[in-house]
Amino acid sequence: AQKITQTQPGMFVQEKEAVTLDCTYDTSDPSYGLFWYKQPSSGEMIFLIYQGSYDQQNATEGRYSLNFQKARKSANLVISASQLGDSAMYFCAMREGSGFQKLVFGTGTRLLVSP
Amino acid sequence: GAGVSQSPRYKVAKRGQDVALRCDPISGHVSLFWYQQALGQGPEFLTYFQNEAQLDKSGLPSDRFFAERPEGSVSTLKIQRTQQEDSAVYLCASSTQDQETQYFGPGTRLLVL
Repeated sequence: AQKITQTQPGMFVQEKEAVTLDCTYDTSDPSYGLFWYKQPSSGEMIFLIYQGSYDQQNATEGRYSLNFQKARKSANLVISASQLGDSAMYFCAMREGSGFQKLVFGTGTRLLVSP
Repeated sequence: GAGVSQSPRYKVAKRGQDVALRCDPISGHVSLFWYQQALGQGPEFLTYFQNEAQLDKSGLPSDRFFAERPEGSVSTLKIQRTQQEDSAVYLCASSTQDQETQYFGPGTRLLVL
């Protein structure tokens, strides 16, 4: 079974609008962490936001927020006020257990922001 | 400060050739991870170091793949007798003792002909 599922291969949004990128996860471990990374065409994975399984509040970092719905096992990324520079691949990833563990990534969503 | 650096950025190898990929983690970062990213896919875990100790190598696809971090800083991923299916981007990431977040380098794009 897929640990991380990103069902949107591609998304389009107009500049200045908000967009939600979907991510669902599968784990039986009570302790886990969820991450979103951005990968522009240059190839580097850029960390955006992190949500721990025990965190009571949804994580926010500037224009990025994570809509964490634990019962539904979803961790959607919301980008507000999209900018042209937001065009990139976006990956959702999960770390299971505590401590330093490998990340398991989804297949990614390509976001295109149009003027 | 300086981020994770990787070299070379691009490598073209003939099938059967050995290659070595280098990763310089962020200074002071204890943990170091290698991932392989095939075209159109998300990264997949290869191996993990804590300081010089290789604590997890469960993701290495075959015994042709070998990684080391002898002094707990720079790491090298070596692929022997490269095959076409080894063509991918190899990403290195590092993190501190206290943080969970892994910070990635720009990757090495390997093409095996």
